[in-house]
Amino acid sequence: QVQLKESGPGLVQPSQTLSLTCTVSGFSLTSYNVHWVRQPPGKGLEWMGRMRYNGDTSYNSALKSRLSISRDTSKNQVFLKMNSLQTDDTGTYYCTRDAYWGQGTLVTVSS
Amino acid sequence: DTVLTQSPALAVSPGERVSISCRASEGVNSYMHWYQQKPGQQPKLLIYKASNLASGVPARFSGSGSGTDFTLTIDPVEADDTATYFCQQSWNDPRTFGGGTKLELK
Repeated sequence: QVQLKESGPGLVQPSQTLSLTCTVSGFSLTSYNVHWVRQPPGKGLEWMGRMRYNGDTSYNSALKSRLSISRDTSKNQVFLKMNSLQTDDTGTYYCTRDAYWGQGTLVTVSS
Repeated sequence: DTVLTQSPALAVSPGERVSISCRASEGVNSYMHWYQQKPGQQPKLLIYKASNLASGVPARFSGSGSGTDFTLTIDPVEADDTATYFCQQSWNDPRTFGGGTKLELK
């Protein structure tokens, strides 16, 4: 069945870089788009960007200067890297294939 | 960016019908989707492309609308429907979400 699972550090220091991995199973990254969405505690959802099935990427313009999404199709993994983290980047980060979502990973930005 | 506006909260009694609205700042064709999110859980897709029921979702949930005005209807509401409901558009880049409507049961 289709599954997505996020992994990465739970704590990141301010000004540092966040690196997250989304490991997928049950489908091919060369057939479906995978998106990253984040949610600050107690707040709404923000679309961050996507890795298209053909390897192209799209980013939220508000994050574009800090964000990079890549993939390794041989490992069924999609990667998110975002630099210059600040406290308002704290939240739960999800990878999703529209109807299918990972459980999310909580990232706290704090010294 | 396409701004999606939802009312922040609604309170209804079990057994009633409730409609949750989502208004887009520009047309999104029929590319509006609805998600349910309960505390501590990831969002769950309820309706895709305005009116299509996602797999496994009870028929109590329905969606309607096109262009800029969309509605999620739950009829009848059950206690388990207590959650926050988000609309999302995928017609214009970047994809955007509404601020969410928190549904409480009386």
